[in-house]
Amino acid sequence: EDQVTQSPEALRLQEGESSSLNCSYTVSGLRGLFWYRQDPGKGPEFLFTLYSAGEEKEKERLKATLTKKESFLHITAPKPEDSATYLCAVTSYNTDKLIFGTGTRLQVFP
Amino acid sequence: SAVISQKPSRDICQRGTSLTIQCQVDSQVTMMFWYRQQPGQSLTLIATANQGSEATYESGFVIDKFPISRPNLTFSTLTVSNMSPEDSSIYLCSVLLGRGEQYFGPGTRLTVT
Repeated sequence: EDQVTQSPEALRLQEGESSSLNCSYTVSGLRGLFWYRQDPGKGPEFLFTLYSAGEEKEKERLKATLTKKESFLHITAPKPEDSATYLCAVTSYNTDKLIFGTGTRLQVFP
Repeated sequence: SAVISQKPSRDICQRGTSLTIQCQVDSQVTMMFWYRQQPGQSLTLIATANQGSEATYESGFVIDKFPISRPNLTFSTLTVSNMSPEDSSIYLCSVLLGRGEQYFGPGTRLTVT
């Protein structure tokens, strides 16, 4: 069964303290791995798509990487405005449905 | 990407009533999805809505409770019928674009009293 696990569940960082969020996946035939940011009461905001092991994508302070078993979202020198829940999801070649992890709730304090 | 809007953005409804949520996208898309996100939880897929065919529902969701319309390639509606407090959630629509990417609307926050 296809599955996505995110860790940690919650992360508290001081402003400027870099860290990484993990997304482990089990899927038969990975088509794509997706990272989203979600602010409270809002819809998920698309961040990145990764399609093959070794691929990396960057956007401002965020960098996403992908291996055959997991993905990392690296946050460099975070700011309070980076506080949000970060969701990871995968699709397989069998379906267009997204399989979501439970998310990592990030809080960045000044 | 796509610009997606939902109406209403939020509503408070009495149990036993129904609410229809609208989802509008600024470009033509084949596949749209409806999700539910209960407080503190991740997203749960309710159904997939393709234009010109009946919606496909996930396990645990039925058409009588969550009827969906998809009259054209830019619009869909989800109705939450005979509501109970357990239906209080955020309801989200999304659209499928190239290479499997899904983009989400801003959500509809529903509270059932």
